[in-house]
Amino acid sequence: AQSVTQLDSQVPVFEEAPVELRCNYSSSVSVYLFWYVQYPNQGLQLLLKYLSGSTLVKGINGFEAEFNKSQTSFHLRKPSVHISDTAEYFCAVSDFDGGSQGNLIFGKGTKLSVKP
Amino acid sequence: DAGVIQSPRHEVTEMGQEVTLRCKPISGHDYLFWYRQTMMRGLELLIYFNNNVPIDDSGMPEDRFSAKMPNASFSTLKIQPSEPRDSAVYFCASSLYSPRDTQYFGPGTRLTVL
Repeated sequence: AQSVTQLDSQVPVFEEAPVELRCNYSSSVSVYLFWYVQYPNQGLQLLLKYLSGSTLVKGINGFEAEFNKSQTSFHLRKPSVHISDTAEYFCAVSDFDGGSQGNLIFGKGTKLSVKP
Repeated sequence: DAGVIQSPRHEVTEMGQEVTLRCKPISGHDYLFWYRQTMMRGLELLIYFNNNVPIDDSGMPEDRFSAKMPNASFSTLKIQPSEPRDSAVYFCASSLYSPRDTQYFGPGTRLTVL
């Protein structure tokens, strides 16, 4: 069975600094990978996803993530954060399994706090 | 489209009472998901439907929880009887053709069981 580990529960950072949110997954088969963002008192929304092709994936709001199969990682990065990026970020994995409908398994989330 | 609609947004009830949470998915979406979010356990998938049929309910905590989808535009999650440990934010989400398609989340229902 697949699983997702988000290595940091909280990441404080100053405005305009770069940030990396780490995500590692465990799966015995090929996977699809996702990052979702949850702003305070809202539901989650998709930030970006990797299904196939280029391992560098660009998403909304200037975020990008790189799929590294050998390290089973899918870290999220942004070169310069804004106050408005303060939110909780969730990494998720879905197995590529012909017998499964591929529901997502979410990590426990990383709270990004951007300070002025 | 108005997005995924959930009601109520907040629910406060007493232990032992029945609670019904409601969800209207995005029109045309084949999949509907119910999630629960708590500080301790994070985001958990409770159950999901494909074309109104429950596919996987292995995440439903116990028999006190039940979910139905009588038609493509409406689903309910019921807890009977409710317990304080059921206090959480419950999200409904929908996706177009597959769970791997973008899942669109509703605003959630914050349930407090006293």
